[in-house]
Amino acid sequence: GENVEQHPSTLSVQEGDSAVIKCTYSDSASNYFPWYKQELGKRPQLIIDIRSNVGEKKDQRIAVTLNKTAKHFSLHITETQPEDSAVYFCAASKGGNKLVFGAGTILRVKS
Amino acid sequence: DAGVIQSPRHEVTEMGQEVTLRCKPISGHNSLFWYRQTMMRGLELLIYFNNNVPIDDSGMPEDRFSAKMPNASFSTLKIQPSEPRDSAVYFCASSDRGTGSGANVLTFGAGSRLTVL
Repeated sequence: GENVEQHPSTLSVQEGDSAVIKCTYSDSASNYFPWYKQELGKRPQLIIDIRSNVGEKKDQRIAVTLNKTAKHFSLHITETQPEDSAVYFCAASKGGNKLVFGAGTILRVKS
Repeated sequence: DAGVIQSPRHEVTEMGQEVTLRCKPISGHNSLFWYRQTMMRGLELLIYFNNNVPIDDSGMPEDRFSAKMPNASFSTLKIQPSEPRDSAVYFCASSDRGTGSGANVLTFGAGSRLTVL
């Protein structure tokens, strides 16, 4: 089955700096790659996703890149703010089937 | 839509008791997922349903766990008997398996925090 690995497990950045979180997946048939943000005590919420027919997608300060050949995808957050502090999860699925999550990255933005 | 509704939000019970968690998916969504979240194991998929039919229950840890979806608007996850190691946050999520831009986007409920003493 699908296996998703996520790095780093924790990331501390200074406010205003960029943050990058990387994930690799094992199943070459996976074609949907979302990123979720989970604040303390809250539910995971989708922040951005990418499907395998595109290589990059942007939404304001966040962007996701996908390299299907290498089977990895990354989340980029620019101009980080204290409210970006949370746990971020990547995931992968073969459209319509189960979403397999990475272990999560704790992002701390220091002001 | 009120989103995915889960109940109870918090449950404290004693070892050996039966626990039933409930979920109402978003209206019109045809896939429903039960996840368990712990610090040690992260977000684990327990079981998912498409059109009320269980598709993959390989994540259900033991026979003590069972899940049902009697109709498109209701699902239950039952643990009987419960054990302290079952303590976790249980999330229900739903999605639309259609072909539009929102297809397969998972929306989570607020979660049910279970503590087994």
